[in-house]
Amino acid sequence: GAGVSQSPSNKVTEKGKDVELRCDPISGHTALYWYRQSLGQGLEFLIYFQGNSAPDKSGLPSDRFSAERTGGSVSTLTIQRTQQEDSAVYLCASSLDHGGANTGELFFGEGSRLTVL
Amino acid sequence: DQQVKQNSPSLSVQEGRISILNCDYTNSMFDYFLWYKKYPAEGPTFLISISSIKDKNEDGRFTVFLNKSAKHLSLHIVPSQPGDSAVYFCAATSAGGTSYGKLTFGQGTILTVHP
Repeated sequence: GAGVSQSPSNKVTEKGKDVELRCDPISGHTALYWYRQSLGQGLEFLIYFQGNSAPDKSGLPSDRFSAERTGGSVSTLTIQRTQQEDSAVYLCASSLDHGGANTGELFFGEGSRLTVL
Repeated sequence: DQQVKQNSPSLSVQEGRISILNCDYTNSMFDYFLWYKKYPAEGPTFLISISSIKDKNEDGRFTVFLNKSAKHLSLHIVPSQPGDSAVYFCAATSAGGTSYGKLTFGQGTILTVHP
């Protein structure tokens, strides 16, 4: 498709279970980001991938969170041993990123709504 | 520590009038600012941006003003249309960082434009 694709769109899980969220960025976009939006809050940066460089993981809230990006395209965000405070909408975004050519214009997917019971 | 704040959770405006959405920031390292718009069940979409070397940027009905000394920016929509009803997020970033895309967002303002 033309846009950023995320799956699943909704996920309900029990506390303590692991979840995987998938993101398929726009073709040709070298930069990929994960953000999350908790209820009533703004978007919170989680992690950033740029090409083959080591990812910027500075926003990950705990070591239960991890992400990988295979082949420079699809990314998976994994949350282990989910907690109720992990409930949020997880948004993936991609952009063209060539150093100073990246203006911060991110193209977001529709998000994956995670509910931890 | 909320580095980007949108103190008005909501704003209601009549169609054809001006909408003014406000945003304050605390981090003096921020030098690039953006507004995103979000409709329900959709991801945010980029609207307009401004570099700290400017104090105004216009794009059609949308104008963003930046007051660096006050660490304040605002988005003006003139004239407002019902289709502008959405959540508006202010975001900031630093050119000195590794990526412009590592954005710090405000909490959002829900704009409702009444016909």
